This record gives sequence, structure tokens and C-alpha cells, in this order.
Amino acid sequence: QKEVEQNSGPLSVPEGAIASLNCTYSDRGSQSFFWYRQYSGKSPELIMSIYSNGDKEDGRFTAQLNKASQYVSLLIRDSQPSDSATYLCAVNLNSGNTPLVFGKGTRLSVIA
Amino acid sequence: NAGVMQNPRHLVRRRGQEARLRCSPMKGHSHVYWYRQLPEEGLKFMVYLQKENIIDESGMPKERFSAEFPKEGPSILRIQQVVRGDSAAYFCASSPTSYEQYFGPGTRLTVT
Repeated sequence: QKEVEQNSGPLSVPEGAIASLNCTYSDRGSQSFFWYRQYSGKSPELIMSIYSNGDKEDGRFTAQLNKASQYVSLLIRDSQPSDSATYLCAVNLNSGNTPLVFGKGTRLSVIA
Repeated sequence: NAGVMQNPRHLVRRRGQEARLRCSPMKGHSHVYWYRQLPEEGLKFMVYLQKENIIDESGMPKERFSAEFPKEGPSILRIQQVVRGDSAAYFCASSPTSYEQYFGPGTRLTVT
């Protein structure tokens, strides 16, 4: 059974701070990792993808992957109230044609 | 380039009726995935299709649920004889490969 675990939160950070979101996964064969943002009542929006160990930066977002520890994280720098949402971690095996396995998400609240 | 389109956005059905949900993938995307999200729950994979083929239906209940992606037209998720437990948000995602998936706005199904 493939599992993706996230702390449900809520994670509260002040405006301008760094928000750190964490995710662990059970299947050591996993190859592709994604972070989605979902506002209440809306659909998931892809914000980051990462495939190899290390850091990947895109604007205020940095994804970090450590396959040995089966751990992936998302850092949001200079957090804004508009970043308040649920962040979903998703994983797939990338072995051909496999669906994403999602964590339940971490609710982030950025306090102005 | 238009995003993934789903209709209807909201659907109300009485118990025992049929629900038919439609998804048009992004242009150039040949992979379609259906996910279901129950209130306060994570996204759960249901079925993965390519044109005229079901690739993986391991997440779809064996009874009452079916999916298709014909050569022409949208992908359709069909739920027969709906029950209250089917009330959820149903999301379609499309992908040009098996990697990054882009979600549509979803269909909120309410069974009364």
C-alpha cells in the first residue's frame, strides 16, 4: 500500500516568514514528486515538481527531495496571506503509467 | 491554450439516478485521470485512461462506476444508481505524458 503522509496542520506563520511543509512517502521506488496548492472549494493547482535529490527553486518556492530518507518538503519564502491554502504532496512511481498518490494535505495559514 | 474543462460544475441527483461527468483534457494531452475528493479527505485516484483505452481502474468501485475516453469527445465518468456516499468533488486531470498532471475545476456531486 503506497502512502504519503503530511501533517494536517493548520500551520500558522506570520506574513513575511518562511513556511516549511513536509511530506514522507512509503514506496522507495517513487520517482516523481509534486506539490499542489488547493484553495477552499477550488481544484488543485500544480506549483512544483521535483525528480532528483536536492533543491529546486521557483520564485518564492523551493522544493527539497531526499530519496534516501523518503522525504520531500516545500519552503515558501516571504509568505503572503494569499498563500493561505491547503498544500498537497503527491508522488508517483514514474515507471510508465501510474496515477498520483496524494497526501491529505497541510493547511497553511499566513497571518497578516 | 485552454485548461482542462469539466462539466457540469455542480450536479444534484436523487438517490438511484445516474450521474454523468464530463472532462475535456488540455489540447495535446492524451492521458486522463479521474480523482475523487470526499469532504476533509485527500484526493483518491479512481481511473486512468488514454484514448479508447482504460489503463488502470484499480481505484474505481467495481459496481455502479464506469469510465470511458472515446476517440472523439470528452472523457466521461458515469455513476449509476447514485447513493449519498457518492457525494463528493470529482476532479479530472490531464497530462501530456505520465508526469505532471493538470487538474480541471471539478464537478461537485450532491446526492439527495
